[in-house]
Amino acid sequence: DADVTQTPRNRITKTGKRIMLECSQTKGHDRMYWYRQDPGLGLRLIYYSFDVKDINKGEISDGYSVSRQAQAKFSLSLESAIPNQTALYFCATSPGQGRSGANVLTFGAGSRLTVL
Amino acid sequence: GESVGLHLPTLSVQEGDNSIINCAYSNSASDYFIWYKQESGKGPQFIIDIRSNMDKRQGQRVTVLLNKTVKHLSLQIAATQPGDSAVYFCAENYAGGTSYGKLTFGQGTILTVHP
Repeated sequence: DADVTQTPRNRITKTGKRIMLECSQTKGHDRMYWYRQDPGLGLRLIYYSFDVKDINKGEISDGYSVSRQAQAKFSLSLESAIPNQTALYFCATSPGQGRSGANVLTFGAGSRLTVL
Repeated sequence: GESVGLHLPTLSVQEGDNSIINCAYSNSASDYFIWYKQESGKGPQFIIDIRSNMDKRQGQRVTVLLNKTVKHLSLQIAATQPGDSAVYFCAENYAGGTSYGKLTFGQGTILTVHP
């Protein structure tokens, strides 16, 4: 089984619909992240969480919300999807500060979202 | 603003050749750099990292070079194989305070290895 699992892997939806992308991890990492990938733009940080009670906005948080339900689960929601949110979304995890490999992110396989 | 960018968006090489992928960064306060490989349909995978107190680090078939004077980072892949074909991303981080663990990614370079 994958260390970082994202569901769904692919989703097509319509403008205005609410969408939730889910992420779970078996790494035991404290930190979890949501990134968005668009062609030619690399990966941009949407939200991140350093522990269960911590939620922080990233570079492009507008139009998104997150929930850290447990150490192992971090979900991303689009309350009212719009076409320019069509992208590939990645969840990632990393160990806490001071731990070995603290800055090394482990990524999930991605969730491809299409908003019509 | 802060950014990490790549000189070459695409690179084509023959199998067995050495590959060099370049990356420029603009934040002089960045003190940690990392390279990821992303194969089609998969998430990015860690290749190698380097801290700013080093100028070279070697892994298995890969070497990362850091030139802080000109804010340049490169990834060298020795004896490139078809399985190395992928998109390669550099990323940077300023490991201070709440920025710790937050990576800023470059656009990516597409490496194509021809048999």
